[in-house]
Amino acid sequence: EDKVVQSPLSLVVHEGDTVTLNCSYEVTNFRSLLWYKQEKKAPTFLFMLTSSGIEKKSGRLSSILDKKELFSILNITATQTGDSAVYLCAVSNNAGNMLTFGGGTRLMVKP
Amino acid sequence: NAGVMQNPRHLVRRRGQEARLRCSPMKGHSHVYWYRQLPEEGLKFMVYLQKENIIDESGMPKERFSAEFPKEGPSILRIQQVVRGDSAAYFCASSPWTSGNRNEQFFGPGTRLTVL
Repeated sequence: EDKVVQSPLSLVVHEGDTVTLNCSYEVTNFRSLLWYKQEKKAPTFLFMLTSSGIEKKSGRLSSILDKKELFSILNITATQTGDSAVYLCAVSNNAGNMLTFGGGTRLMVKP
Repeated sequence: NAGVMQNPRHLVRRRGQEARLRCSPMKGHSHVYWYRQLPEEGLKFMVYLQKENIIDESGMPKERFSAEFPKEGPSILRIQQVVRGDSAAYFCASSPWTSGNRNEQFFGPGTRLTVL
């Protein structure tokens, strides 16, 4: 059974801090790893990673995948209060198209 | 380009009633997925459909739950004889295709079901 574990469970920082969120996984026939941001409603797509060592970047957010060590990190630099959310990591495999989600990291950014 | 649309956003049912949740995928997307998020838990896959076909229903409870994605119209997740444990947020996602690596799934706003 595919498994995704995220850490930490929750994190409180101040505006301007840099945070690193972790995601480790076990999946048969890995296909891709995806990061989402969930505020009060729909998870919003952030990144999809398929290859090791290639950083994906969008503004202050970046993410990288290590397929050898089976983990990914999501970095947020110069955090803002609007970054407060639950960050979800999910993996897909080649057997199907369902996503297996981790439990999420709840980030709170204080002014 | 409108995103994934779900309705209703909130649904209240009494035990034993039926709940119907609707999902319209993004324009150009022909793959639909349903996920359930129980309070304080992560998202769990339920079912994956293409037009007129159920591709994977491995996450769907065997009884009372059914899903369809007809040729015309939205995808429907149907829960018969609801129980309190069905109270959750139900999210629909869609993707354009799944060949190669283009399997990003985009989520709708969810339907929050409360069973009294």
